[in-house]
Amino acid sequence: EIVLTQSPASLSLSPGERATLSCRASHSVSNYLAWYQQKPGQAPRLLIYDTSNRAAGIPGRFSGSGSGTDFTLTISSLEPEDFAVYYCQQRSTWPLTFGGGTKVEIK
Amino acid sequence: QVQLQESGPGLVKPSETLSLTCAVSDYPISSTYWWGWIRQPPGKGLEWIGSIYHSGITSYNPSLKSRVTISVDTSKNQFSLKLSSVTATDTAVYYCVRGRAADYWGQGTLVTVSS
Repeated sequence: EIVLTQSPASLSLSPGERATLSCRASHSVSNYLAWYQQKPGQAPRLLIYDTSNRAAGIPGRFSGSGSGTDFTLTISSLEPEDFAVYYCQQRSTWPLTFGGGTKVEIK
Repeated sequence: QVQLQESGPGLVKPSETLSLTCAVSDYPISSTYWWGWIRQPPGKGLEWIGSIYHSGITSYNPSLKSRVTISVDTSKNQFSLKLSSVTATDTAVYYCVRGRAADYWGQGTLVTVSS
């Protein structure tokens, strides 16, 4: 099983700042890494798939990068609606696995 | 717009079987894509339960494999989850999703295991 480790566990930032979230895999997942955003009481929403492809309707301030075992989600300038929990997930190998999440909080 | 909707009992007794169905609208389940179930215990992270292809091929989380069955009914455009011998640790919001990178999610349904 591929273990995904997200860091930091939480991030305290102000609107307009840049957010950088990390996801590290225990084994290579090639580029099969996705990112999700989850707000309280809502289902997660797919932001990025296959490392760097934005899902439909996702604003350009969200970008993904990386390969193999190290991946990054960047939010270039935080909007008020971006404060949420973010999860990474790999689809390279069964079983599919998720990281533990990073909570982006308002400073 | 693809829509997924979970349905099933919100309360299940310990040792019994949890059964949920996911109805899919505006997309033929017999087409490309895996269809899956993900759960989230209250206040915790996401856990993938398993997925099924329209042909019936399945893949399950090893930690749940002995208790999980996922099936598909292409005539009704829906797929289902059964989780046997439940305990309180199975209490969670259960989501059905499309794809291995889940681009569409159901709204989720809270299932509580309690006597």
